[in-house]
Amino acid sequence: QVPLVESGGGVVQPGKSLRLSCEVSGFTFSSYAMHWVRQPPRKGLEWVAVISFDGTTEKYADFAKGRYTISRDNSKNTLYLDMNNLRPEDTAVFYCVRSFDLLTVWFDHWGPGTLVTVS
Amino acid sequence: DIQMTQSPSSLSASVGDRVTITCQASQDIDNYLNWYQQRPGNAPKLLIYSASNLEAGVPSRFSGSGSGTSFTFTINNLQPEDFATYYCQQSDTVPFTFGPGTKVDVQ
Repeated sequence: QVPLVESGGGVVQPGKSLRLSCEVSGFTFSSYAMHWVRQPPRKGLEWVAVISFDGTTEKYADFAKGRYTISRDNSKNTLYLDMNNLRPEDTAVFYCVRSFDLLTVWFDHWGPGTLVTVS
Repeated sequence: DIQMTQSPSSLSASVGDRVTITCQASQDIDNYLNWYQQRPGNAPKLLIYSASNLEAGVPSRFSGSGSGTSFTFTINNLQPEDFATYYCQQSDTVPFTFGPGTKVDVQ
């Protein structure tokens, strides 16, 4: 069992900010790279961002650059996604997922997701 | 960015059928290709990683093949629980793009 539980979603007005969290248990959080993936309603999956196991490397999808910030607190086994200047097109279910590192990337465990509605 | 395409976008099949989905990458991604299943209302589930490796606990009726730019995903002896949407994903280069999905529904 590798639970990942996302939280922090909700309804937010355009232009506002939101912080998502992902609490992890069941594995050594500090050993894995972590990602966010989003899924707009009735649409496909979109990779958002990744952070290395130690937090020293971050990479983003183009739509996230400059507005989203991924971070982690290994002492709390928690991943974050700070989203600023939100737009209606950011409306989506956001999932946190893990990968072994930045080169060995597949997502073997998914949380239930948290829904962000920008309206 | 690497673009991923899938075909077909949807298909209808019956229990016991063999289903094949193809995924094309816009550039060579070696074998950095994963497949996921998503049932309605659920999070995706990893089925195949690195093009052809079956994730632990996934039934052997699922398989994947290919390398470079062309990949194939096959379900043999389709079961009722396999009616879902399937996504390929490249893990060669950031951004780790997904294909648009293939919906498998009941014929």
